[in-house]
Amino acid sequence: ETGVTQTPRHLVMGMTNKKSLKCEQHLGHNAMYWYKQSAKKPLELMFVYSLEERVENNSVPSRFSPECPNSSHLFLHLHTLQPEDSALYLCASSKGQGDVNTQYFGPGTRLTVL
Amino acid sequence: GDSVTQMEGPVTLSEEAFLTINCTYTATGYPSLFWYVQYPGEGLQLLLKATKADDKGSNKGFEATYRKETTSFHLEKGSVQVSDSAVYFCALSDTGTASKLTFGTGTRLQVTL
Repeated sequence: ETGVTQTPRHLVMGMTNKKSLKCEQHLGHNAMYWYKQSAKKPLELMFVYSLEERVENNSVPSRFSPECPNSSHLFLHLHTLQPEDSALYLCASSKGQGDVNTQYFGPGTRLTVL
Repeated sequence: GDSVTQMEGPVTLSEEAFLTINCTYTATGYPSLFWYVQYPGEGLQLLLKATKADDKGSNKGFEATYRKETTSFHLEKGSVQVSDSAVYFCALSDTGTASKLTFGTGTRLQVTL
């Protein structure tokens, strides 16, 4: 399934900029996730939303601010980032909690912080 | 906590060779197990999954069997193609109130003619 879209696909920003990443899922799912993928490191789960409520926040710095206005949309607001925040940011969605919670991923946003 | 260990890559094979990518896990309870694949410049795609011991997941010629006794979920394919070149991730999902995926570090597969 490729029902998860992310925009923009590529983003270059300075350390003082404010930008937002957008994720949209067309699968009727109730849970959405943000992951960070850095070179030579396992995927890091950043945030989990279930039924539009945040249920997981894995000690992510406050310069990353998620927003989930409805079950189909998820945003990641970025401000005063650091060069080490450069990575591929992946969004995923799933039907919901419990049982086999198969997650479906978007193509990612490649972020470069100068 | 939960963890997934994958074999270090890259794995380089000739076309039509047999593929095995090892994956072992540590988890409390009875997790579900997944293999995801990431082609260059793309996000992760679900390749196959297994939800209980002795289940075999299969897709596109790839197979993996959930082995509870050895806590393993090795990925196999009988004859790889150049188009299989990608990074493969093993993952497990707990079944708690907010199911999370725990990923391995990924194994890069390069298939040559």
